[in-house]
Amino acid sequence: DAGVIQSPRHEVTEMGQEVTLRCKPISGHDYLFWYRQTMMRGLELLIYFNNNVPIDDSGMPEDRFSAKMPNASFSTLKIQPSEPRDSAVYFCASSLGPAPEAFFGQGTRLTVV
Amino acid sequence: GDSVTQMEGPVTLSEEAFLTINCTYTATGYPSLFWYVQYPGEGLQLLLKATKADDKGSNKGFEATYRKETTSFHLEKGSVQVSDSAVYFCALSFSGGYQKVTFGTGTKLQVIP
Repeated sequence: DAGVIQSPRHEVTEMGQEVTLRCKPISGHDYLFWYRQTMMRGLELLIYFNNNVPIDDSGMPEDRFSAKMPNASFSTLKIQPSEPRDSAVYFCASSLGPAPEAFFGQGTRLTVV
Repeated sequence: GDSVTQMEGPVTLSEEAFLTINCTYTATGYPSLFWYVQYPGEGLQLLLKATKADDKGSNKGFEATYRKETTSFHLEKGSVQVSDSAVYFCALSFSGGYQKVTFGTGTKLQVIP
């Protein structure tokens, strides 16, 4: 298996623009997580899905953030409008069952200028 | 709430030196404990875990022992290599359905030849 695949690897956008991050989980995994990593706040769980259904989005910082999982092999994290403080590395991870040992993608480094 | 505290980095060691990265936790109950490693430009990977007191997790020459009396899970390796240069995260989670993983802030290790 290719592992968790995220795209793009790097994204630079201007403040106010819409940004969409994409994730393909490992085939067969039924849990999908979106994390954000910054120097100041470390690794934060934004939202997670089970069987394509959002279970807990309490970590989503603001209404500007939204996530979808239209099917078992694809998820998106959208920021609209983006702000400089959204600059971070965003990770997608997936797991089989409710296990804490998730497999992480390589991340998307987002820079909002 | 639950929390994980790691020693501040960066830690710089010469090749073949002994490594210890300290980790302590605060939690209600008895969580499972984990060490993750993040190589440059990559996502987090599970390195080792322990699920109950006195368990020792080990992998790739790294080991850590779950110490309930001191609420600690220190990571050790007898002889580090340049390829071990990475950021190491201590984490905890509880069993029983999906439980959020609480990560420490990470400790950067740099091994010089």
